[in-house]
Amino acid sequence: NAGVMQNPRHLVRRRGQEARLRCSPMKGHSHVYWYRQLPEEGLKFMVYLQKENIIDESGMPKERFSAEFPKEGPSILRIQQVVRGDSAAYFCASRGQATTDTQYFGPGTRLTVL
Amino acid sequence: GEDVEQSLFLSVREGDSSVINCTYTDSSSTYLYWYKQEPGAGLQLLTYIFSNMDMKQDQRLTVLLNKKDKHLSLRIADTQTGDSAIYFCARHAMEYGNKLVFGAGTILRVKS
Repeated sequence: NAGVMQNPRHLVRRRGQEARLRCSPMKGHSHVYWYRQLPEEGLKFMVYLQKENIIDESGMPKERFSAEFPKEGPSILRIQQVVRGDSAAYFCASRGQATTDTQYFGPGTRLTVL
Repeated sequence: GEDVEQSLFLSVREGDSSVINCTYTDSSSTYLYWYKQEPGAGLQLLTYIFSNMDMKQDQRLTVLLNKKDKHLSLRIADTQTGDSAIYFCARHAMEYGNKLVFGAGTILRVKS
């Protein structure tokens, strides 16, 4: 049973480009969370999605950031017109159906904006 | 401000016990977690405790929860150099879609 998969593991973008980060949850999981870890900080919640629905996006910056979790395929976190301050590690976690189920984390995507 | 706080750094000698502390402000959390992060890696779930428990032991790990003081600790017995990592305390925020709220992490350095 594969764990949570994220790709790419490392992504380098120049300022103004777009970044697309992908997350495939564990098999059987339909709840996905995205977190951001800025250098030398803890993880901060960004967005919570179920299949085809955004449930809570209270942690997402209002502009340039969007997320989706389509019926088929991975969840995508999209950052348009990246700036240097977007450089961070972005982690995806998934859980099963029960609200108290443990969240399992992927290895993260480390985004560097030049 | 942050509602989950941890001390930033802990240094111990190999073979000693390590105790990493965490305090939180929101008492509604049902679960509290400890995650481990090695350099450049993702988060590994170490252990968790349900809020109606005082203690949980799992091999070298002991979690203590003082709900009255909103204090959580992780004790690692016989600390090894492989335990060197960042340890994150997190609470389960059921009222907010079950997201996790993390502390800033404690860097554990084990000296041989």
